[in-house]
Amino acid sequence: SYVLTQPPSVSVAPGKTARITCGENNIGSKSVHWYQQKPGQAPVLVIYYDSDRPSGIPERFSGSNSGNTATLTISRVEAGDEADYYCQVWDSSSDHYVFGTGTKVTVL
Amino acid sequence: QVQLQESGPGLAKPSETLSLTCTVSGGSITGYYWSWIRQPPGEGLEWIGYIYYIGSTNYSPSLKSRVTISLDTSKNQFSLKLNSVTAADTAVYYCARVGRFNEYGDYFYYFMDVWGKGTTVTVSS
Repeated sequence: SYVLTQPPSVSVAPGKTARITCGENNIGSKSVHWYQQKPGQAPVLVIYYDSDRPSGIPERFSGSNSGNTATLTISRVEAGDEADYYCQVWDSSSDHYVFGTGTKVTVL
Repeated sequence: QVQLQESGPGLAKPSETLSLTCTVSGGSITGYYWSWIRQPPGEGLEWIGYIYYIGSTNYSPSLKSRVTISLDTSKNQFSLKLNSVTAADTAVYYCARVGRFNEYGDYFYYFMDVWGKGTTVTVSS
């Protein structure tokens, strides 16, 4: 089964770019989805199908997926982007959903 | 705008059954997959299982022996039962709608599109 590995934490200064990785062998062959979870709140979908943004999600959020790594990129980081971020895939062989280990983004 | 709301006891005793319900408003259960996800304190998200609107289910291997997900289309609700609970089952439990339809009527069900606010369940005697 899948184990989606994310860095536990990423720190970034306001206005800079944060990159959060999600690693698994050949993850580029899967569709990867990303969620933002602020303290005490439910997760919110910010990227689906590797790079699509739901309505209402700023263009500063983008995604890519190739080889063994998927990446969520947050450009021009704001204080309000401070949150936990989770990647997720659907495992077609088992019909199960798998979440990544999660990354805490801290805005310095 | 579809909304989901979890409800149920906030406390369960060890070895007993945890029961939660998710009420869907602003939309129909019909046509979609619906999931339960949980998050132990300070930990990450764990998928529990899903139910399709016609009643088919699939569960996480780690919980499969203890989990049942069911639905009541007449009430626009689906439910979670987790039996033989222990302290390790203490978590925030979320319900979620799986995927969305595009403008052509195609259903993309690989992600959790809409989430409830979550409900905390503590397992303790």
